[in-house]
Amino acid sequence: EVQLVESGGGLVQPGGSLRLSCAASGFTFSSYWMSWVRQAPGKGLEWVANIKQDGSEKYYVDSVKGRFTISRDNAKNSLYLQMNSLRAEDTAVYYCANGRGAFDIWGQGTMVTVSS
Amino acid sequence: DIQMTQSPSSLSASVGDRVTITCQASQDISNYLNWYQQKPGKAPKLLIYDASNLETGVPSRFSGSGSGTDFTFTISSLQPEDIATYYCQQYDNLLTFGPGTKVDIK
Repeated sequence: EVQLVESGGGLVQPGGSLRLSCAASGFTFSSYWMSWVRQAPGKGLEWVANIKQDGSEKYYVDSVKGRFTISRDNAKNSLYLQMNSLRAEDTAVYYCANGRGAFDIWGQGTMVTVSS
Repeated sequence: DIQMTQSPSSLSASVGDRVTITCQASQDISNYLNWYQQKPGKAPKLLIYDASNLETGVPSRFSGSGSGTDFTFTISSLQPEDIATYYCQQYDNLLTFGPGTKVDIK
């Protein structure tokens, strides 16, 4: 079964850090760009970052540049998002998704809450 | 940055109605435009890719058209299970989602 499973979300104080993980199965993970997309409570979708198959290219939305780092481990079929200097406005459900353009596989999402 | 707008932001229609949503890009994005459906508490689902291509397994009542800056998404005959929020998304330059259109049954 083709699947993406996120983990690592939780409650963190402003200024804190969190590392999200996404485990892939059922498809050739190393062949795909991978992305993180987030959705604040009651709001729309926002693309956060993506990474090329070999990790040589990474792109970020302006609001997270310098604070978030996307990475991957193809040997472990895993995608990561290291989030530092977290702000209240980073509160959202974070989804991992396959691809660089059209996302046809999504995880179930993991909730990140930034609050004191 | 490419900005995406959608209209309307919400709509109510009857079962069997034809529903149309428009999406406009702030600059030419060719056909690098996708449409997603999202139901409450669920991850989005890809319906249409590259402006007009129906994703495998998606009912044929869904369709998309357009190129450049103006795009249209259509449900030819609204069904109760189509109640959801629909998003357009460009990937010509990085990625940007539209603000979404919430579709309800009248």
